[in-house]
Amino acid sequence: DIQMTQSPSSLPASLGERVTISCRASQGISNNLNWYQQKPDGTIKPLIYYTSNLQSGVPSRFSGSGSGTDYSLTISSLEPEDFAMYYCQQDASFPLTFGSGTKLEIK
Amino acid sequence: EVQLVESGGGLVQPGRSLKLSCAASGFTFSNYYMAWVRQAPKKGLEWVATISTSGSRTYYPDSVKGRFTISRDNAKSSLYLQMNSLKSEDTATYYCARHNIGTTLFDYWGQGVMVTVSS
Repeated sequence: DIQMTQSPSSLPASLGERVTISCRASQGISNNLNWYQQKPDGTIKPLIYYTSNLQSGVPSRFSGSGSGTDYSLTISSLEPEDFAMYYCQQDASFPLTFGSGTKLEIK
Repeated sequence: EVQLVESGGGLVQPGRSLKLSCAASGFTFSNYYMAWVRQAPKKGLEWVATISTSGSRTYYPDSVKGRFTISRDNAKSSLYLQMNSLKSEDTATYYCARHNIGTTLFDYWGQGVMVTVSS
């Protein structure tokens, strides 16, 4: 199974700040890496697919990058609605696995 | 508008069974792989099962293989999860999710249904 290690687990940040969340796979996943946002009410939506492709309707302040085993999600300028949980997920092979999550919170 | 609405959750004793349902609308259900993903209280997301468009292929992680069965009824645009031999560690919110065509990205999610396994 491919293990996904996400960091940091908690990220205090301020409005307007640029932040980056990292995700490392236990083996190469050939850019098969997705990012999701989960709001406090449990609502989950996809943000980025295949490392760097923005899902429809997602603001352009979100971006993704990476290759091999190391990937990242960047938010260029934090808005109030961005404070939430973020998860990476590999879909290179079954079993599909998620990172442990990053809580982006207001500093 | 794509909608996924789960039902069937509740409190169940260890060792017993429970069946979850997901009613889909707003898209051609039979064209999409579907899945269940769960989240234990204050924990992260865990993929539970995926089913192909026709239902002929199913996929599970080892944690539920042999105990859980995913199925679908394309005529009713419905997805199911039969959970047998439930354990306390199966306590979680269960989400119904749609796979994007041609990928295993989860592009739409339901609001989730809570399952509590406790005596």
